[in-house]
Amino acid sequence: NAGVTQTPKFRVLKTGQSMTLLCAQDMNHEYMYWYRQDPGMGLRLIHYSVGEGTTAKGEVPDGYNVSRLKKQNFLLGLESAAPSQTSVYFCASLGRGAFFGQGTRLTVV
Amino acid sequence: AQSVTQLGSHVSVSEGALVLLRCNYSSSVPPYLFWYVQYPNQGLQLLLKYTSAATLVKGINGFEAEFKKSETSFHLTKPSAHMSDAAEYFCAAASGGSNYKLTFGKGTLLTVNP
Repeated sequence: NAGVTQTPKFRVLKTGQSMTLLCAQDMNHEYMYWYRQDPGMGLRLIHYSVGEGTTAKGEVPDGYNVSRLKKQNFLLGLESAAPSQTSVYFCASLGRGAFFGQGTRLTVV
Repeated sequence: AQSVTQLGSHVSVSEGALVLLRCNYSSSVPPYLFWYVQYPNQGLQLLLKYTSAATLVKGINGFEAEFKKSETSFHLTKPSAHMSDAAEYFCAAASGGSNYKLTFGKGTLLTVNP
């Protein structure tokens, strides 16, 4: 099915470990986004990209890095995970509408 | 900077009553506007979007929203609430130009009482 695919769907990390979340879209969209969702906070923008090879900071970029080497993929990295990064992460791509992945539930212990 | 404000973090209605969820945006340029619904432990589903065509936008599940530039609002309505409408609703705005930053409000939890 066309759309946005996030991997993995669940992950438990120990403090200090690193990981990469992958977002892939097959709609040829230029714009892609990474959000975190926490209770009562809505969706907060971490980083976004307006095209291949470009990235920009959102509201809460600290502790995260991103890369957009290919137009269809947007990677979110955590270099040294902290308990405060326990959250649900959503990726989105924007074309005629904004399409979301199913989310990644990350727990940092 | 663009922001999206949803008035009321929690709205409670009776089944069959009017649903009104409020959203205001701040932008010097009329943005693209969206409403999403999220059911528990699920992702976000697009209800409807405004992209500078008709100001009254019809979406799925009987929802609609009206873009009012003078009020910088994009409120979501449904004439008659169903139990299945209970969920969290998010308003979002994407400004135009070369910087399509997609910003969300904090969400409104809709409860539908029998």
